[in-house]
Amino acid sequence: NAGVTQTPKFQVLKTGQSMTLQCAQDMNHNSMYWYRQDPGMGLRLIYYSASEGTTDKGEVPNGYNVSRLNKREFSLRLESAAPSQTSVYFCASSEAWGNTEAFFGQGTRLTVV
Amino acid sequence: GEDVEQSLFLSVREGDSSVINCTYTDSSSTYLYWYKQEPGAGLQLLTYIFSNMDMKQDQRLTVLLNKKDKHLSLRIADTQTGDSAIYFCAESKSGGYQKVTFGTGTKLQVIP
Repeated sequence: NAGVTQTPKFQVLKTGQSMTLQCAQDMNHNSMYWYRQDPGMGLRLIYYSASEGTTDKGEVPNGYNVSRLNKREFSLRLESAAPSQTSVYFCASSEAWGNTEAFFGQGTRLTVV
Repeated sequence: GEDVEQSLFLSVREGDSSVINCTYTDSSSTYLYWYKQEPGAGLQLLTYIFSNMDMKQDQRLTVLLNKKDKHLSLRIADTQTGDSAIYFCAESKSGGYQKVTFGTGTKLQVIP
């Protein structure tokens, strides 16, 4: 089973460029999430989608947009990348709202120069 | 707001026990989790404990919860080199993942 798949694994952007991080899960989960991981700061929630058709802001949404394309896919878009968005990005999914276990993708390492 | 703190680094010898500590500030936390992150990989849930429990044991893992002090620990018995990873403590109130607060992570180094 693939679980949660993120693409790309690595990306270098110039300041001001845009890009979309893709995430897909094959576990028929209702809820999906985007986190960023920065050294010494744990994981911080950017956006989440409790179910297909809904999205909500997390702790650090500024500079990002998301799309829940269907039940399987949840994408994260950076419209105008900034060096402060250099980070490792993780997508996760869980079966239902309130479920205790989330499954994470392998991460996308993004560098903005 | 919620805050979860962990020490950044722990080094142990293979075969010894490892104890990773975590403190949290929100006394209404309902679920407390331990995740493991291996190099280049995402996080994987190791175990979790409900706030009405004091202890949970799962093979080599023992989780202890002291609600009064808001202190959570993860003990790994007979630590192996394969246990080398970053361990994240996390807490939530409702169990819904949008409300999960993660700690900074503790990097465990196991010396052969």
